[in-house]
Amino acid sequence: GIQVEQSPPDLILQEGANSTLRCNFSDSVNNLQWFHQNPWGQLINLFYIPSGTKQNGRLSATTVATERYSLLYISSSQTTDSGVYFCAVGTYKYIFGTGTRLKVLA
Amino acid sequence: DTEVTQTPKHLVMGMTNKKSLKCEQHMGHRAMYWYKQKAKKPPELMFVYSYEKLSINESVPSRFSPECPNSSLLNLHLHALQPEDSALYLCASSQAPRDYYGYTFGSGTRLTVV
Repeated sequence: GIQVEQSPPDLILQEGANSTLRCNFSDSVNNLQWFHQNPWGQLINLFYIPSGTKQNGRLSATTVATERYSLLYISSSQTTDSGVYFCAVGTYKYIFGTGTRLKVLA
Repeated sequence: DTEVTQTPKHLVMGMTNKKSLKCEQHMGHRAMYWYKQKAKKPPELMFVYSYEKLSINESVPSRFSPECPNSSLLNLHLHALQPEDSALYLCASSQAPRDYYGYTFGSGTRLTVV
């Protein structure tokens, strides 16, 4: 099956800092999505991005499908960005990556 | 309406109890999913319903029994659970099987088995 790995596993930032999260996957897929899981467990859809680049406010994402990776950029981080970031990939079903646990300090 | 609603938010049940989790969406999505998430782990797929029919069962034990009464509603019936089944249970929906644009999760049911 598809292997999905995310890096780094843990990240601590000062408020205002920028960061890049990476998602590598082992096979071609039709779907890729980034989610943020807040401390209460809610999974929030950030981007549906099987290829190309998208931006939404302080967040942007790029997927290079031919090289099997996706990047999530967070700029000017805020304490509310804390939580776990997952990428999910798949064709017939989503496989979730290992996650990046982000903590933003005030 | 762009939400997936799950009830209850919290559930404590004994190992001999029978309970049900409920998931509802009114986005016209035709695929619905159940996931299980243990602490500090990614969500793991349990079941997929496609056009109200079970299309994927990820070798889930029979003490978990899914049901899709109509295109908006998904239930997960629980019976004779074990303490290791304690987890966050998440429901999701998407426009269609294999079309994951608009894939949306509910807020989950946090289940504790005592």
